[in-house]
Amino acid sequence: QSALTQPASVSGSPGQSITISCTGTSSDIGTYNYVSWYQQHPGKVPKVMIYEVSNRPSGVSNRFSGSKSGNTASLTISGLQAEDEADYYCSSCTIGCTYVVFGGGTKLTVL
Amino acid sequence: EVQLVQSGAEVKKPGESLKISCQGSGDRFTSYWIGWVRQMPGKGLEWMGIIYPGDSDTRYSPSFQGQVTISADKSTSTAYLQWSSLKASDTAMYYCAGRKYFYDSSGYPSYWYFDLWGRGTLVTVSS
Repeated sequence: QSALTQPASVSGSPGQSITISCTGTSSDIGTYNYVSWYQQHPGKVPKVMIYEVSNRPSGVSNRFSGSKSGNTASLTISGLQAEDEADYYCSSCTIGCTYVVFGGGTKLTVL
Repeated sequence: EVQLVQSGAEVKKPGESLKISCQGSGDRFTSYWIGWVRQMPGKGLEWMGIIYPGDSDTRYSPSFQGQVTISADKSTSTAYLQWSSLKASDTAMYYCAGRKYFYDSSGYPSYWYFDLWGRGTLVTVSS
């Protein structure tokens, strides 16, 4: 069982917006603003899309945004495109940032 | 910026030992935390542990503490992930990944995300 809980799958049509949740505890998401989101296409290397809850690395589309409330973080993708179809993983520092935990991953299907 | 080059795929038998590598090229390897992430077939990402090659400061996820050994050789800009006795359940893709080394204003190490990734090393353990 993963330390952070994500829905197994979400789907949306092109142009729509979707939100993926990531639920942790007061030991991780609830305490640290060090939540990240990764995108992984099949057979490819993960890529960071959001870091420190809501920051986008250079080159990542502004259609991707992140937020946090309490023990739950969220990734929102607006204006869905076919290329967004991938697995998405959240991660967070935990317990004094001594290590990091991932969520179980969410498969995004663009209908 | 550092590029991370991982060693090739391995096929091993249960009980055998193994050491896979991740070599940095380009920028200063010792300016980065280098971590290892496991992905079992069809499964999600798991954070295993991390090392700062500058002084070999190493941290492990509790799930992997005692199961693997992470080390580094700064003279060759290489980080390693090692098993003393492989199990079939160690079959997975193993990624090395990196982040610039620093501590934030709260004193937390900067490895809360990875922005550099190797291509992965596939380890297959089967009798």
